[in-house]
Amino acid sequence: EADIYQTPRYLVIGTGKKITLECSQTMGHDKMYWYQQDPGMELHLIHYSYGVNSTEKGDLSSESTVSRIRTEHFPLTLESARPSHTSQYLCASRSTGGEQYFGPGTRLTVT
Amino acid sequence: KNQVEQSPQSLIILEGKNCTLQCNYTVSPFSNLRWYKQDTGRGPVSLTIMTFSENTKSNGRYTATLDADTKQSSLHITASQLSDSASYICVVSDRGSTLGRLYFGRGTQLTVWP
Repeated sequence: EADIYQTPRYLVIGTGKKITLECSQTMGHDKMYWYQQDPGMELHLIHYSYGVNSTEKGDLSSESTVSRIRTEHFPLTLESARPSHTSQYLCASRSTGGEQYFGPGTRLTVT
Repeated sequence: KNQVEQSPQSLIILEGKNCTLQCNYTVSPFSNLRWYKQDTGRGPVSLTIMTFSENTKSNGRYTATLDADTKQSSLHITASQLSDSASYICVVSDRGSTLGRLYFGRGTQLTVWP
């Protein structure tokens, strides 16, 4: 099993609140990713990072932001949550051999 | 447009039976194809990964095949178990960028009944 962790696993929050979804991995991978997944739909890349101080936006436009101050940590922040942000958020990291490991996900509900 | 299409969208089988899931893709240039298993409320877990030169790869009761000429892949599950109930996602990687971009299918939702 991959050593990649996400907290919280579930979060219900009111509109307008600021939230940070945590993601950490202990495998020393430089490449990390955030995906958004709605039920029955494919994963959409929203952010990625090649290493410390490197962050880029993915294919799906997202109002969230990310930071990469340490190799093992890749948090995602929503400054003002809205109901349209309700979704599952998956964090992943990739080894130098190309294998991608996913965290367990955070299911976010914004009321 | 690079796409990954999976069929069927959902499938119900009885415990102990075999099944085959399909994946068609248009991703080019092709790098590799992976099958993932995603349990409800969990992240995807890799089952197999195949490069252009590989036609088949097995992982226990899971066997994946790849036809790079027709751009088709299948995942065969033998002697299904209740724990096989999950979404199976086909993911294709291109080699046209340093990112090694991944293209995801929507998955096949498999339900195994006792």
